[in-house]
Amino acid sequence: NAGVTQTPKFRVLKTGQSMTLLCAQDMNHEYMYWYRQDPGMGLRLIHYSVGEGTTAKGEVPDGYNVSRLKKQNFLLGLESAAPSQTSVYFCASSPFHGYTFGSGTRLTVV
Amino acid sequence: AQSVTQPDIHITVSEGASLELRCNYSYGATPYLFWYVQSPGQGLQLLLKYFSGDTLVQGIKGFEAEFKRSQSSFNLRKPSVHWSDAAEYFCAVGTWINFGNEKLTFGTGTRLTIIP
Repeated sequence: NAGVTQTPKFRVLKTGQSMTLLCAQDMNHEYMYWYRQDPGMGLRLIHYSVGEGTTAKGEVPDGYNVSRLKKQNFLLGLESAAPSQTSVYFCASSPFHGYTFGSGTRLTVV
Repeated sequence: AQSVTQPDIHITVSEGASLELRCNYSYGATPYLFWYVQSPGQGLQLLLKYFSGDTLVQGIKGFEAEFKRSQSSFNLRKPSVHWSDAAEYFCAVGTWINFGNEKLTFGTGTRLTIIP
């Protein structure tokens, strides 16, 4: 009964380092999303997936890559982290008209 | 392109008082509209959603929202707030991907503070 699980919960990166954020859902949802949340800007869509093996760009995709090799997992990668990518990242999945969100990953790039 | 405006960044109300959070949207077709709540350090929880039909929508935790097409608004209301309602509230409009799923565009949020 975990819902949407994001790992890690916190991470500090140095500029130029790479990392992968993992999102896992156990609800058999087809649709998954990655958002970033910044103060005063709400949530902005980075990438999304409409099913296993598919990905699509959202509003702010630059600097990020994603993969959906398994239906339950949606990975968000940063190849060369920049301070502008300091943010809280939320993953969500959707069965039908409404998202279930994870609890977020707070990423700081120094 | 679709957009959502939440004109109030921060609202303070007394416990037991009524609440109305404003949301205005811009969207070319019939909108899918949502309200989410976020407690500190947590993810977002869906309060209610509107797709069609009755313009007054009931949600969880005693919240309701009214869709007004003529005003492009979807304001959230609660008749009597509780201290546990202190949180940040986000309005969102959905852009259709395919049947039953949409990409959400969020407003910038309204932070609600409750005073005793």
